[in-house]
Amino acid sequence: AQSVSQHNHHVILSEAASLELGCNYSYGGTVNLFWYVQYPGQHLQLLLKYFSGDPLVKGIKGFEAEFIKSKFSFNLRKPSVQWSDTAEYFCAVNGNTGGFKTIFGAGTRLFVKA
Amino acid sequence: NAGVTQTPKFQVLKTGQSMTLQCAQDMNHNSMYWYRQDPGMGLRLIYYSASEGTTDKGEVPNGYNVSRLNKREFSLRLESAAPSQTSVYFCASSGQKTYEQYFGPGTRLTVT
Repeated sequence: AQSVSQHNHHVILSEAASLELGCNYSYGGTVNLFWYVQYPGQHLQLLLKYFSGDPLVKGIKGFEAEFIKSKFSFNLRKPSVQWSDTAEYFCAVNGNTGGFKTIFGAGTRLFVKA
Repeated sequence: NAGVTQTPKFQVLKTGQSMTLQCAQDMNHNSMYWYRQDPGMGLRLIYYSASEGTTDKGEVPNGYNVSRLNKREFSLRLESAAPSQTSVYFCASSGQKTYEQYFGPGTRLTVT
């Protein structure tokens, strides 16, 4: 069965610090990978996605993620966080034989201190 | 475009009461989903509808039913609410090929 593991449940950073949020998935086939973000009081929205091609994908607001197939990982990074990045971040996986079922990780709450 | 809309935004039920959560999308998406979000557990899929006229169970379907009324609308029904169904419920939709999902604003449900 597919599963998604996010390494940290809570992360606290100061502004301008670098961010890396870990995500590992369990699935043997071809996957589509996503990071979603949920700002306080808002609904989830797509941050970035990987389907194929260049394993380093860039998303909105300066975020990027790298797909490392050998490690089953899709870590999210940002070189310098801002207070406005305070949010909950979800990694998600959709396997090509999973059809329409996307599996979400438990989420990582990021708090950025001004 | 409104995207994905959900009603109501908040609801309090007593154990045993029933209710229907409504969801509609205006993006002409084929697929629609219902999730629940609980602290520390991420989003768990309750039911989904790959296309108009079809529905399938997700990870946690017990205690819920769904109806894909037409291409735009996908409702979630709790026949006999239980305190364990206290959660935030999100509806989402996706296009045919990308599986990228667009989410509604959520319904915060409390069952006492």
